[in-house]
Amino acid sequence: GENVEQHPSTLSVQEGDSAVIKCTYSDSASNYFPWYKQELGKGPQLIIDIRSNVGEKKDQRIAVTLNKTAKHFSLHITETQPEDSAVYFCAACSLTGNQFYFGTGTSLTVIP
Amino acid sequence: DTEVTQTPKHLVMGMTNKKSLKCEQHMGHRAMYWYKQKAKKPPELMFVYSYEKLSINESVPSRFSPECPNSSLLNLHLHALQPEDSALYLCASSQSPGLAGHEQFFGPGTRLTVL
Repeated sequence: GENVEQHPSTLSVQEGDSAVIKCTYSDSASNYFPWYKQELGKGPQLIIDIRSNVGEKKDQRIAVTLNKTAKHFSLHITETQPEDSAVYFCAACSLTGNQFYFGTGTSLTVIP
Repeated sequence: DTEVTQTPKHLVMGMTNKKSLKCEQHMGHRAMYWYKQKAKKPPELMFVYSYEKLSINESVPSRFSPECPNSSLLNLHLHALQPEDSALYLCASSQSPGLAGHEQFFGPGTRLTVL
């Protein structure tokens, strides 16, 4: 089955700096890669996703890049704000199934 | 309405109790999911319902019993739970099962404590 690794497990940045979280996956059949943000006491919320036919996607301060050859994808948050502080999970999903394989999560703290 | 609702928000139960968790969505989604999440860990898939039929059961103990009465509702019946079952139980839904690229919408979860 799919194995998704996520790094780092914790990340602290100063407000206004950029944050980068990286994930690798093992199954070349995976072709959908969502990123979820989970605030304390809440369910995960999708913030951005990318499909394997695209190398990069951007939505305001958030971007995701995908390298299919190397089987890794990354989340980039620019101009970080305190409200970006949360746990972020990457996930991978294949066309043949509706099961998400989650990474282990990154706890991001943005220091004002 | 792009929301998945879950009730109750919090639940405390003894090991001999029977309780149920409820999940509802009105987005017309045909896939619904139950996840278990421990603190500081990713969600772990428990069950998947596709078109109101159970399609995935991730070797979950029988003390957890899912039910999908209709396309909008998903229940999780709990009986004879153990303290280690204490966790956040998340419900999610997606538009169409078996197709990649369909976002899973998560509910806020039910925080379960088993005494």
